[in-house]
Order: sequence, then structure tokens, then C-alpha cells
Amino acid sequence: GENVEQHPSTLSVQEGDSAVIKCTYSDSASNYFPWYKQELGKRPQLIIDIRSNVGEKKDQRIAVTLNKTAKHFSLHITETQPEDSAVYFCAASRGGNEKLTFGTGTRLTIIP
Amino acid sequence: GAVVSQHPSRVICKSGTSVKIECRSLDFQATTMFWYRQFPKQSLMLMATSNEGSKATYEQGVEKDKFLINHASLTLSTLTVTSAHPEDSSFYICSATGLRAGNEQFFGPGTRLTVL
Repeated sequence: GENVEQHPSTLSVQEGDSAVIKCTYSDSASNYFPWYKQELGKRPQLIIDIRSNVGEKKDQRIAVTLNKTAKHFSLHITETQPEDSAVYFCAASRGGNEKLTFGTGTRLTIIP
Repeated sequence: GAVVSQHPSRVICKSGTSVKIECRSLDFQATTMFWYRQFPKQSLMLMATSNEGSKATYEQGVEKDKFLINHASLTLSTLTVTSAHPEDSSFYICSATGLRAGNEQFFGPGTRLTVL
């Protein structure tokens, strides 16, 4: 089955700096890669996703890049703000109604 | 986005009792629902996938006789934790997807289960 690895497990950055979280996946048939933000005790919130026919996608301060050959995808947050502090999860799926496999999570702390 | 509700949000029960958690898609037909369990400071672990009208598919290591899943309609799936024990205490989250949703899964708000 699919295996998703995520690094780093914790990340602290100064407010205004950029944060990068990286994931790798094992299943070459995976073609859908969402990123979620989860605050304590809350549901995961989809912040951005990418499909395998696209190499990069951007939404304001958030961007995701995908290297399908290397089976890597990364989340980039620029101009970080205190409200970006949360746990972030990457995930991978074969798309459609297929299940998601989640990474282990990254606790991001923005230092004011 | 689509809305998924979950009930109850929090439940405390005695060891040995059973607890039912409901997951509803409020504004779309959920052909597939997923049940996850999340222990503190850990990731979401998929327990089972349920398709409307058919038996759930359980992940390896998840006891199907202990975690009963029913997906009887396109808007409702239930998870029953039978004979709950303290080690079943966790955050249970459902998600739903369907034709309208494309690839995206819409998550419920979660249920915090505490077994005494």
C-alpha cells in the first residue's frame, strides 16, 4: 500500500519568513496530493491540493510543488503569520473515491 | 465546500459499553465515507472505507467486529464502538466524498471519545 513520509516533524520560523514542508510517497499510481491544516481538537482543513498533471500550484501565500518522477511534493508558505501556527498534514490518493494516506504531520510554530 | 456533520462531538462512557457515532453529509450525496482515528499528537489513521449499500472495507489491524460501520444511505454513515475500553479513547473523524466532490474529501468536526 501507499506510504507517505513527511519532514520535518516540527518547524519554528520567524514571522514573515518562509516555511517549507516536504513529503514523499511510494505508490506511483497516486495522483492527488492535498495538504491539510489542523488546529487542536478541530477537523483537518484543506488548504491546497495538486494533481499529478500539474507541477506547481499557488494560492496567495501558499504554494505546492510536485515532482512526480522523484515522488516528492512540498508545501511552501511565504510571509508567515502567527495564525499559520498549526499542524500540517500532507496526503496522497489515487483520486476519485480512493482513500487518503496521510503523512505524520508537521507542527509549525510562527515566532512573533 | 460541502458540509459534513458528526454527532456527538464528545462522549464519555464506561468500559464495556457501546457508543454510536453518526456522520452526515448535509448538502451532497456521499457515495463513499471514511472513518479515521487520531490519537494525541499523531496523524489520522484510516480505519475503514464505506460505500453506500455495501459492506465496509477495513484497514489491516482494525477489528471489524469491534468497530461496526453502517452506510445505509447516501447521507449517513455510523460507527459503533462495541464493548469500548480505555484504549479506544481517541478522536474519531469521518470524511465523505461523492460525485459532486471530485477528489476532495470533506471532513466532519470529529468526536472525542473517552472511555473510563
